[in-house]
Amino acid sequence: DIQLTQSPSSLSAFVGDRVTITCRASQTVTSHLNWYQQKPGKGPKLLIYGASSLQGGVPSRFSGSGSGTEFTLTISSLQPEDFATYFCQQSYITPYTFGQGTKLEIK
Amino acid sequence: QVQLQESGPGLVKPSGTLSLTCTVSGGSISSINWWSWVRQSPGKGLEWIGEIFHSGSTNYNPSLKSRVTISIDKSKNQFSLKLTSVTAADTAVYYCARVALPGYYPDYWGLGTLVTVSS
Repeated sequence: DIQLTQSPSSLSAFVGDRVTITCRASQTVTSHLNWYQQKPGKGPKLLIYGASSLQGGVPSRFSGSGSGTEFTLTISSLQPEDFATYFCQQSYITPYTFGQGTKLEIK
Repeated sequence: QVQLQESGPGLVKPSGTLSLTCTVSGGSISSINWWSWVRQSPGKGLEWIGEIFHSGSTNYNPSLKSRVTISIDKSKNQFSLKLTSVTAADTAVYYCARVALPGYYPDYWGLGTLVTVSS
C-alpha cells in the first residue's frame, strides 16, 4: 500500500496567516493526490483534486501543488472557518490511502 | 447537488455482520461514477473499504476483502456495505461517498454513521 505522511500533525496559527501543509507519498502517485477538510461531526469536504485543481465552490485562498511524491496544500490567508483537520488522499492505485491528518487550530 | 445518507444499526455484536445502506439523492446512481465506502476510527484514521460501479464491478481493500461485500440497487438509488465477522477493531464512523471520474477522487460524502461493535 502507498503510505502518505503529512506534516505537521498539528499546527497553531492566527487568522490572516499563510499556512502550508505537506503530504509525502512512499512511492509516486503522479498527480492523483487530493486534499480534504474535515470539521467535527461532518464528512470530509473535497478542496483540491488532481494535486492542484480547486473543487467548485472552494475559496481561492486554498491552493495545491506538487507531483510524484511531494505535495503541499496552502491556505493564503486563514479565515476563522478554516480551523479544521486536513487530510491528503491518493487515488492513483488501490487501495486508496489517506494521510493521518493535520489539525489546524487557532493561536 | 448530490447528497448521500448512510443508514443502519449503530450497534453490532462481535462476530456478527455489519450492514449499512447509502441512499443517493440529487443524482442517479447509474451515472458515470464509482460509489465507495470509507471508515474512520481514532486508531487507524481514514481507511478506504471499497467501491462499486453501476455495472456491479467492485474493488475492495485487500485488508478487508475476505469479509466485505458491496452491492448496488439501482431501483432504489442505493448501495450497501456488508462486513462479516466483526470485532471491536471494526468500530468506526462509516462514510459513503461518490467517486468522480476520471480522477477517481471522492467528491461528495455522507455525514457518516457511527457503528460500535460490542456485546
